[in-house]
Amino acid sequence: AQSVAQPEDQVNVAEGNPLTVKCTYSVSGNPYLFWYVQYPNRGLQFLLKYITGDNLVKGSYGFEAEFNKSQTSFHLKKPSALVSDSALYFCAVRDMTGGFKTIFGAGTRLFVKA
Amino acid sequence: NAGVTQTPKFRVLKTGQSMTLLCAQDMNHEYMYWYRQDPGMGLRLIHYSVGEGTTAKGEVPDGYNVSRLKKQNFLLGLESAAPSQTSVYFCASTRGDTGELFFGEGSRLTVL
Repeated sequence: AQSVAQPEDQVNVAEGNPLTVKCTYSVSGNPYLFWYVQYPNRGLQFLLKYITGDNLVKGSYGFEAEFNKSQTSFHLKKPSALVSDSALYFCAVRDMTGGFKTIFGAGTRLFVKA
Repeated sequence: NAGVTQTPKFRVLKTGQSMTLLCAQDMNHEYMYWYRQDPGMGLRLIHYSVGEGTTAKGEVPDGYNVSRLKKQNFLLGLESAAPSQTSVYFCASTRGDTGELFFGEGSRLTVL
């Protein structure tokens, strides 16, 4: 069965510093991985995805993610954090075996301090 | 450009009452999903649909029913609400395979 783990409930970073939000996955077959962001009282918004190709994926709002097959990881990164990046971030994996279900991690809350 | 629209946005029920949440998408997506979001548990899949007239169970289907009579609409029903169903419910849709999910704004349900 597909699964995703986000080992950190919360990440704190100072504005202007680089940020990393961690994600590891377990899949059978090729992984199709996604990152979503949720701002307070809103639905989730798509940030980026890895399907195939380059291990470094660029997405919205200056975010990028690094796919590492040997470590089964897909960490979200940004070179310089903004206060407005403070939100809840979800890593997810697509189950390609039927219905294209998306399985989500528990989420990581990012706090960026000015 | 509506995307995915959920109604109602807020609802308070008493234990044992029934209700229906409506999800509508205007992107002609085949695949639609209902999730619930609870603190510390991420999003858990309740039911999903791979096309008009089809539905299937997700991770936590008990106590819920769904219908997809029209391609653009996906209804989530609670026949007899319980306090454990207090949650925020999200509808999402995708074109399938490697496409990303598009989410509604959520429906906050409280069962007293």
